[in-house]
Amino acid sequence: DGGITQSPKYLFRKEGQNVTLSCEQNLNHDAMYWYRQDPGQGLRLIYYSQIVNDFQKGDIAEGYSVSREKKESFPLTVTSAQKNPTAFYLCASSSQHRGSGANVLTFGAGSRLTVL
Amino acid sequence: GDSVTQMEGPVTLSEEAFLTINCTYTATGYPSLFWYVQYPGEGLQLLLKATKADDKGSNKGFEATYRKETTSFHLEKGSVQVSDSAVYFCALSDRNNAGNMLTFGGGTRLMVKP
Repeated sequence: DGGITQSPKYLFRKEGQNVTLSCEQNLNHDAMYWYRQDPGQGLRLIYYSQIVNDFQKGDIAEGYSVSREKKESFPLTVTSAQKNPTAFYLCASSSQHRGSGANVLTFGAGSRLTVL
Repeated sequence: GDSVTQMEGPVTLSEEAFLTINCTYTATGYPSLFWYVQYPGEGLQLLLKATKADDKGSNKGFEATYRKETTSFHLEKGSVQVSDSAVYFCALSDRNNAGNMLTFGGGTRLMVKP
């Protein structure tokens, strides 16, 4: 079955450490996204990529980095520069681009990062 | 810019009660509208969508009608079940915005008691 796989599901990090969250999709989608979700709040866009080797900052990109070397993969690195990284991170993908209609996202199951 | 406003939760109902979760939006263009559902510890799943005015999206007993005149997309279900307990997100995508990004509301937690 096609879908999005995020790993790890739970991750603990010490302050000052970088961590990388994995996101892999086998849906043949061109666009991929990273969102951050804090308790009781909505989703905030961190980064997105509409095509391989290209990505754009979202609303809260500071302290994060991404790469898009393969269509299937869009890893997110949470760097030590991120002041408050404890959150639930959601990866998503879609096959729609600008101007081509309703942008339906498929989400992964999420990764919960806790900074100790 | 685009924005989505949802009623704050939690919404607590007894089983078989009628559900309404209000959602209103502002958009510069002509958006598509969505409801996503998030069950505990999971990612979001698309529940239903509507792409033009007066369209009604429906799925699993849930319905929402795209009302352009009131810029609303309220979610309704006639008889909720305990298994409907989740967080519900209203969202829009506006093809006039760069990247056709989704804009999400803050989410509304629904708790259904037996």
